[in-house]
Amino acid sequence: DQQVKQNSPSLSVQEGRISILNCDYTNSMFDYFLWYKKYPAEGPTFLISISSIKDKNEDGRFTVFLNKSAKHLSLHIVPSQPGDSAVYFCAASAGNNDMRFGAGTRLTVKP
Amino acid sequence: DTGVSQNPRHKITKRGQNVTFRCDPISEHNRLYWYRQTLGQGPEFLTYFQNEAQLEKSRLLSDRFSAERPKGSFSTLEIQRTEQGDSAMYLCASSPTASNTGELFFGEGSRLTVL
Repeated sequence: DQQVKQNSPSLSVQEGRISILNCDYTNSMFDYFLWYKKYPAEGPTFLISISSIKDKNEDGRFTVFLNKSAKHLSLHIVPSQPGDSAVYFCAASAGNNDMRFGAGTRLTVKP
Repeated sequence: DTGVSQNPRHKITKRGQNVTFRCDPISEHNRLYWYRQTLGQGPEFLTYFQNEAQLEKSRLLSDRFSAERPKGSFSTLEIQRTEQGDSAMYLCASSPTASNTGELFFGEGSRLTVL
């Protein structure tokens, strides 16, 4: 059961422009949403999270937006840098136990 | 390095053999998780421990799979009678019981190849 979906397997943007990665979920019990970044041959590393009681969280170049009515969240990276090129996973949890991940979106930032 | 450590990093085995993976979490973390990741997919939850207690198991964890965390520190994941479909990256993660961000700290994973 795909409770967390990332429908875009890949995204390519120009350096300096905005990257927008999208994620949809089905389980209304999710109360925490996270984005992880993964480089080849490494485990996923935490990027940014948002609680279900908020609709926006910002950390430097990274902003996560949550639209609970649409069960949708997005990650904005601005300005995008070549070092941001990686696979980005959206994840969600209910009660910080069983965290569910999307299939990932591969971001390529071109110089 | 005080991050999550997994061993071995890569294991190649023949179908029918047993394999065991070890995970050493961040020392002060009470929770430990096992995930499986196949090509083109995100990590899939297998099981998690709160200290030494195994609190949740996914239906993905068939009776050939067993995980332990005997002293509430390191954990092992054993797969018996491996099948080719078991080929995947096995990821371990840990977290404190209470976390402001809900973040899991992942290891680099153990890649299993079943021939």
